[in-house]
Amino acid sequence: KAGVTQTPRYLIKTRGQQVTLSCSPISGHRSVSWYQQTPGQGLQFLFEYFSETQRNKGNFPGRFSGRQFSNSRSEMNVSTLELGDSALYLCASSSTLQGARGYTFGSGTRLTVV
Amino acid sequence: AQSVSQHNHHVILSEAASLELGCNYSYGGTVNLFWYVQYPGQHLQLLLKYFSGDPLVKGIKGFEAEFIKSKFSFNLRKPSVQWSDTAEYFCAVNTGGNYQLIWGAGTKLIIKP
Repeated sequence: KAGVTQTPRYLIKTRGQQVTLSCSPISGHRSVSWYQQTPGQGLQFLFEYFSETQRNKGNFPGRFSGRQFSNSRSEMNVSTLELGDSALYLCASSSTLQGARGYTFGSGTRLTVV
Repeated sequence: AQSVSQHNHHVILSEAASLELGCNYSYGGTVNLFWYVQYPGQHLQLLLKYFSGDPLVKGIKGFEAEFIKSKFSFNLRKPSVQWSDTAEYFCAVNTGGNYQLIWGAGTKLIIKP
């Protein structure tokens, strides 16, 4: 079956702009989590959605938001981009909350803010 | 706050050497434990996980990990590494009732052929 699909793969934006990233989970997976990966901070949890509801949120400012649609696809939005938002954004899906069977990760979206 | 520590940021081994990567977490309650691997240019993949039962869990590609509750540890082991094991390894934890994974900083493993 198809894996977790993230689009776009690469993105370059200017400071102050906003960006929307998309994630299509594995068919049948209802949980989608988002992570930010940077060389300095490592992997940091952004939020998790399950059945269109945000179940948990990490310690990121309100500029970071997300949503999940009825088909489990998820989007994450970052407004008023800052240089420090440059990172690899990873999406992970699971068939259950807490990733009881483990999470499957996408290849990520590499965001560069200039 | 809960945290996960991976003691070695870089490990260099020769092929056929034995491997042990340390992982310690700080949380006194029920935990779910994971090891993920990221091969060069690829996405994160689940190596193995522990939820309950036998504290010695076996994963893919000959890896295993042992959960020692008294030591708050979940070390990853492999008896004989191969060049293809060159990758970055991440330990992660989530706690009962909390849905977010807390990640270690990762260990970059380089296997010399």
